[in-house]
Amino acid sequence: AQKITQTQPGMFVQEKEAVTLDCTYDTSDQSYGLFWYKQPSSGEMIFLIYQGSYDEQNATEGRYSLNFQKARKSANLVISASQLGDSAMYFCAMREGLGGYGGATNKLIFGTGTLLAVQP
Amino acid sequence: GAVVSQHPSRVICKSGTSVKIECRSLDFQATTMFWYRQFPKQSLMLMATSNEGSKATYEQGVEKDKFLINHASLTLSTLTVTSAHPEDSSFYICSASQRRFYEQYFGPGTRLTVT
Repeated sequence: AQKITQTQPGMFVQEKEAVTLDCTYDTSDQSYGLFWYKQPSSGEMIFLIYQGSYDEQNATEGRYSLNFQKARKSANLVISASQLGDSAMYFCAMREGLGGYGGATNKLIFGTGTLLAVQP
Repeated sequence: GAVVSQHPSRVICKSGTSVKIECRSLDFQATTMFWYRQFPKQSLMLMATSNEGSKATYEQGVEKDKFLINHASLTLSTLTVTSAHPEDSSFYICSASQRRFYEQYFGPGTRLTVT
């Protein structure tokens, strides 16, 4: 069965510094997708970054990068140059299947989340 | 693009009544919609998956007679909480996807309070 583990319930980081949020996963499927979402206090889920299991390079989106270590089954999120607006809950999620036709309809499994607080 | 809306954003209802939450994909046709539930300081838990024109698939432990899901068109899915009780108070979030997308797009959520 799929499982996502986020071991850091809360993290602090100084403004302008980088922070790594941990995520490990477990699946028996060879094809899967890994996602990170940000949830501010307003509740909306904001998509940050995606990594497919066959992607050879780590995904990057602006200040976000995903440190994908397939053998270790980890998909850590790195936020560079933290900003006060980055303070939020961060969820790692996994979907079996890569997306595209048929895959995007597979369900997401979420981790328990990490609450990030950026300090001035 | 890929905007999903939910209505209402907040609702308060009395115990025993039913409440309907709408989820709409505004600029794309959603072949699949998902309904999640989130208790305070907890993760999102998938309740059900609905494909347009067919019956929803409920996750284990979710009462399908209590949480009625209808996905009548490619842009609208509704969740009806029937005979609501205070323990149904929660944050309900929908998401929508299309076959050619690799991600789900989330609505802003609906906060339900049952008094």
